Amino acid sequence: DAGITQSPRHKVTETGTPVTLRCHQTENHRYMYWYRQDPGHGLRLIHYSYGVKDTDKGEVSDGYSVSRSKTEDFLLTLESATSSQTSVYFCAITRQPNQPQHFGDGTRLSIL
Amino acid sequence: DAKTTQPTSMDCAEGRAANLPCNHSTISGNEYVYWYRQIHSQGPQYIIHGLKNNETNEMASLIITEDRKSSTLILPHATLRDTAVYYCIVRLNAGGTSYGKLTFGQGTILTVHP
Repeated sequence: DAGITQSPRHKVTETGTPVTLRCHQTENHRYMYWYRQDPGHGLRLIHYSYGVKDTDKGEVSDGYSVSRSKTEDFLLTLESATSSQTSVYFCAITRQPNQPQHFGDGTRLSIL
Repeated sequence: DAKTTQPTSMDCAEGRAANLPCNHSTISGNEYVYWYRQIHSQGPQYIIHGLKNNETNEMASLIITEDRKSSTLILPHATLRDTAVYYCIVRLNAGGTSYGKLTFGQGTILTVHP
C-alpha cells in the first residue's frame, strides 16, 4: 500500500472554528490531491498540488485553502468551518498525472 | 472526460467470477479506462486501467471492446472481501489543466455472498 497517512482520522468541531487536515506521504510523489466524498456526489476534487508551493483549485474549492511547504505534506484548511463542509475527506498522491492515484484512508469531519 | 454508465448493484457468489460492465460510449481516442473500488470506510483503491488492449494484473482483468465504447472488469474468483463499490472512470492520461483529476460517478455496489 502507498505510504499515505491522513490525520486526524475523525474530528468533530463547531461551526466557525478553523480546521486543518493533514496528508503525509512517504513516497516522494510530486502530485497530491484533496477530495471530499458526500452521499449522492461521489468524490469531488477540492484542491491539488503539483509541487512544493504549487497548488491550484479543483471543482469545489470555495471555503478551503491548502498549503504545501514540503513534498511530503499537503494541508487542507477550513478557515471557518460550516455545516456544509461535513464530509469525508480523502487525500491522493501520484508520481505523474498520467499514472494511477493512490488514496489515504480518509478523515471523517463533522461540523456541528 | 467521458461519462460512464454502470449498473447500480450486482451480486456474485463467492468463488465465482464477477463481471462488472461499464458503458463509455462517448470515450475519445486518447482517454483511458480506469477501475477503482472502495470498501466501506476506506479510501478508493486502484485496480487496473487500459487504453485499447485487454489488461490483467494480480487483482483483475480488464476487457475493452474493439470500439472502446464499453468495458468489463473481471474478478476471476470473487471473495467476501471483494464486496465494495466499483468505479469505472474514463480520463485523459495527460497533465494539462486537469492535472490528473479523477471524476467518480456512483459506481456499482458489488455484493459477494457465501
